[in-house]
Amino acid sequence: DIQMTQSPSSLAASVGDRVTVSCRASQNIDSSLNWYRQKPGKAPQLLIYAASSPQSGVPSRITGGGSGTDFTLTITSLQPEDFATYFCQQTYTTPPTFGGGTTVAI
Amino acid sequence: QEQLVQSGAEVKEAGASIKVSCKASGYPFTTYNVHWVRQTSGQGPEWMGWINPSSGNTEFAQKFQGRVTMTRDTSITTVYMELSALRSDDTAIYYCATEKRSFESSGTSLYSWFDPWGQGTLVTVSS
Repeated sequence: DIQMTQSPSSLAASVGDRVTVSCRASQNIDSSLNWYRQKPGKAPQLLIYAASSPQSGVPSRITGGGSGTDFTLTITSLQPEDFATYFCQQTYTTPPTFGGGTTVAI
Repeated sequence: QEQLVQSGAEVKEAGASIKVSCKASGYPFTTYNVHWVRQTSGQGPEWMGWINPSSGNTEFAQKFQGRVTMTRDTSITTVYMELSALRSDDTAIYYCATEKRSFESSGTSLYSWFDPWGQGTLVTVSS
């Protein structure tokens, strides 16, 4: 199975900050990388698919990048609704696997 | 809009079975594979398997083979996930999610992602 490693596991930030979350795959996954946001008590919600394509309705301050084994999720000008946990997921091979998550806290 | 609505929370004793339902609406039911994912507190999601609502074909994670069954009822646009021989470490929130794909002009699948997800079903296994 492909292992997905996220860093950091948590970070503290303020409204208006720029934050970057990293995700590393244990082998090449091309651009088969998705990002989800999860708020407490809610299901994960798709933000970015295919490494850099924003899901409909996702604000332009949220962007994804990378290919191969190293990927990033960047949020510029952090908003109150962005305080949540973020997961990366690879769908290059079965089984699809998720990272351990990065919690963005105030 | 596309929506998945799951059955409610359940408490089971160790050794029992659980069957969670996931009702799809807002899109042609047989169009997309439905995956099941579970999540324990503070952990990343764990993939369990998928079902093709059209054919009924399934594929399961090796970890769950022999203990999990996925079925569907096309007449009520609902898929089911049944997990048997429950243990305390099966306590988790279980989610269903629709798999979407992008394709090359040749028809080859390029990328896939999960969207939308159901609201989740908390399954508590007591020992």
